[in-house]
Amino acid sequence: AQTVTQSQPEMSVQEAETVTLSCTYDTSESNYYLFWYKQPPSRQMILVIRQEAYKQQNATENRFSVNFQKAAKSFSLKISDSQLGDTAMYFCAFMKPITQGGSEKLVFGKGTKLTVNP
Amino acid sequence: DGGITQSPKYLFRKEGQNVTLSCEQNLNHDAMYWYRQDPGQGLRLIYYSQIVNDFQKGDIAEGYSVSREKKESFPLTVTSAQKNPTAFYLCASTSYTGGNEAFFGQGTRLTVV
Repeated sequence: AQTVTQSQPEMSVQEAETVTLSCTYDTSESNYYLFWYKQPPSRQMILVIRQEAYKQQNATENRFSVNFQKAAKSFSLKISDSQLGDTAMYFCAFMKPITQGGSEKLVFGKGTKLTVNP
Repeated sequence: DGGITQSPKYLFRKEGQNVTLSCEQNLNHDAMYWYRQDPGQGLRLIYYSQIVNDFQKGDIAEGYSVSREKKESFPLTVTSAQKNPTAFYLCASTSYTGGNEAFFGQGTRLTVV
């Protein structure tokens, strides 16, 4: 069974600085998706960034980027120029690709609570 | 607008009662999921379904039941057998097209009184 581990329960960063959130996972699959989701105080889950395992290039979305190390099974999220609105819980997630008629679990880590300080 | 709707936002249940949480999506997604969120526990999978009339147990299915009679709907029943039902419940959906991104509802906060 796949597992996802986030080793940092809480982190804080000063506004405008850079912070990196860690995520490791365990799988024997060669193809899969990795995600980072953000959950602000409203509790609405928002997709931050997605990485496909067969793509070697690290995904980026504006101020958010990942460091995907497939051999090490590591998937860290870097937030540059942190903003107050980045304050949230961040969850790392893993999923094998769904095929038509198939069924796969979406597995989450326990989350990292990030606080951006003014 | 396409999306997932969970209702109600807040729900109160007396001990010993069953209660049903609603989840509806108009995204034409195949897969739907129910998660339970407790402080420090992350999101734990209760049930998931890929097609109508078929569903699988997740990691914490005991005390819960689901149905999938329509592609758009995946209601969750919290039964009296669930010993600690007070939690935040999230419904999600995804599809085999579009990179498997999951979309979430706004959640239901269930409190046992």
